[in-house]
Amino acid sequence: GAGVSQSPSNKVTEKGKDVELRCDPISGHTALYWYRQSLGQGLEFLIYFQGNSAPDKSGLPSDRFSAERTGGSVSTLTIQRTQQEDSAVYLCASSLDRERNEQFFGPGTRLTVL
Amino acid sequence: DQQVKQNSPSLSVQEGRISILNCDYTNSMFDYFLWYKKYPAEGPTFLISISSIKDKNEDGRFTVFLNKSAKHLSLHIVPSQPGDSAVYFCAAPSDGTYKYIFGTGTRLKVLA
Repeated sequence: GAGVSQSPSNKVTEKGKDVELRCDPISGHTALYWYRQSLGQGLEFLIYFQGNSAPDKSGLPSDRFSAERTGGSVSTLTIQRTQQEDSAVYLCASSLDRERNEQFFGPGTRLTVL
Repeated sequence: DQQVKQNSPSLSVQEGRISILNCDYTNSMFDYFLWYKKYPAEGPTFLISISSIKDKNEDGRFTVFLNKSAKHLSLHIVPSQPGDSAVYFCAAPSDGTYKYIFGTGTRLKVLA
């Protein structure tokens, strides 16, 4: 079956613009995660969804970042008034709603803020 | 809070030899650890896991060891192959939920 998909694969934007990143999880996976990987860094947790609700938003770096998930499926991560330090690869992952299941990652969106 | 450290940013190994990648964590309250492998321009893919009821889990050429007293994990790849060249991340549970904390990764290069 299809894996996790993300769009766009690359996004170049100007400082101050808003961007929207999309994630399509694996069908039937109720848990969805967003991570960010900056150059030379590990995977930084941003937010976790269980169904449509986000019990853990603790990783969102600022109030310019928001995410939503609709229909228990597609999720969008929105960054408002982008800054150069937002440049990173944004990764989405999904997992089945059962204990200790591994996460399946999408290919990521590379965001470059000029 | 859980912290996960992979202190070797890179490792080079000759083909056929053993690769050993290390990972340290701080919070031993939770007991399930993951290793992921990442090729350039791709998302990480799950490689192998270990639960603290074991101290070793083996899957083909990949073996993960868990030393609970030292809060230390290691991933052994033997024999190493050029296709194993990738970045390897270990991940530990943050708080017993689905949230995992990832290390910064170790870039493995297997030389032919």
